[in-house]
This record gives sequence, C-alpha cells and structure tokens, in this order.
Amino acid sequence: NAGVTQTPKFRVLKTGQSMTLLCAQDMNHEYMYWYRQDPGMGLRLIHYSVGEGTTAKGEVPDGYNVSRLKKQNFLLGLESAAPSQTSVYFCASSYSGVVDEQYFGPGTRLTVT
Amino acid sequence: KQEVTQIPAALSVPEGENLVLNCSFTDSAIYNLQWFRQDPGKGLTSLLLIQSSQREQTSGRLNASLDKSSGRSTLYIAASQPGDSATYLCAVPNYGQNFVFGPGTRLSVLP
Repeated sequence: NAGVTQTPKFRVLKTGQSMTLLCAQDMNHEYMYWYRQDPGMGLRLIHYSVGEGTTAKGEVPDGYNVSRLKKQNFLLGLESAAPSQTSVYFCASSYSGVVDEQYFGPGTRLTVT
Repeated sequence: KQEVTQIPAALSVPEGENLVLNCSFTDSAIYNLQWFRQDPGKGLTSLLLIQSSQREQTSGRLNASLDKSSGRSTLYIAASQPGDSATYLCAVPNYGQNFVFGPGTRLSVLP
C-alpha cells in the first residue's frame, strides 16, 4: 500500500494563477481532509469530505475549492492564487472520521509570488 | 469550538532522559486522542491513538495517557534518543466530523 500520496511535492505560482493539488489514498477510506500548515498557526482544516461526492468547509475555506469525484481522490483547487496561500498543504484520510486514526500524506510546499 | 494547547512549546534534553509532553483540550466529550510526530519538512506520522474508553496506550518507548475529565493527555518518552528529535502534535475531534490539532512541542535530544 502506498498510503496517502500527494502531487506535486513543490510548486511556485505567480499571483492570479490557478492550480490543482491531488491527493490519493489506497486504503478505502471514506473521509479525506485538506490542511494547511503555517509557522505560528499550526495545522488548519481547509475542506473535508465524508465520502465520494461530498465536500464540506473547514476552518479556512476561502480561496479554495475541492472535489471528490472518486472515493480514492480528493482534489484541492486554487482558482486565483494569492501570496497569503503560500503554505505547506497536507492531505489526510481516515476510515470512519473522528473515531478512527488519521493518515497523512507527505505534503505539498506551495509558494505564491 | 474545541481548543488544544501543548506544553512546553520546545524542549531540549540530553540523550537517555525520560520526558513528558503535555496536551490539553477544552471539551472532554471526545471519542479519542491521537499523537503524531513530524520531522522537519515531512508529513505527520501517527504514533498512538487512545480511545476514550482507554486510560493508556503503549508503543515501544512511548506511553500515552488520557484523562478526559481533566481534559489532558501526556506522552511519555522513555530513554530518549537523538532520533526522537521532532515536533510532536496531539489532535482531538472537533464537534463535527473533523479534528483540531495542538501547536506542537519541538523536541531536541542532544547526543
């Protein structure tokens, strides 16, 4: 099992550009999460999904969109990148949500200039 | 909203010492609590998951305890090694379907 994988590992964007981050898991987990991690702010939840075809807002959803068309994939989109979105983005998954262990991907380091 | 704090923010110890990391949370109605390790530039690795019905969970040199009534968990690391140097985070469920993380404790174990 590969666990949770994220693509790409690094990316540099210019202000106003768009991109999509891909998260994939091969553990048949229902729940998937997107977090951002910033110095002094810790891990903050952007969006999450409780199953295929569902999405929900987390703590800091503005400027991001997500889609869960397939159970194993969770996409995070930035339509018009801003310097404030410079961060490390982590994807995570769990089988049954808050009653189960979370598994994290290796992260994507995004810089917006 | 569930709030999580961790003390200390940073800790530096000589190799071989036993140490305790602390995690506090405001809402004691939790299903479980999870401890993670994060190495610099890496993702989070799950260390221990304690269910609400448990008081302790052990894995090798790690022992985590949970006291729901007081809103506290401790992570005990025995006979620390330089390879234990990392940031340790705890996470608890929020009121809905997601988790809240503490700010972490940055541990340095000196050879």
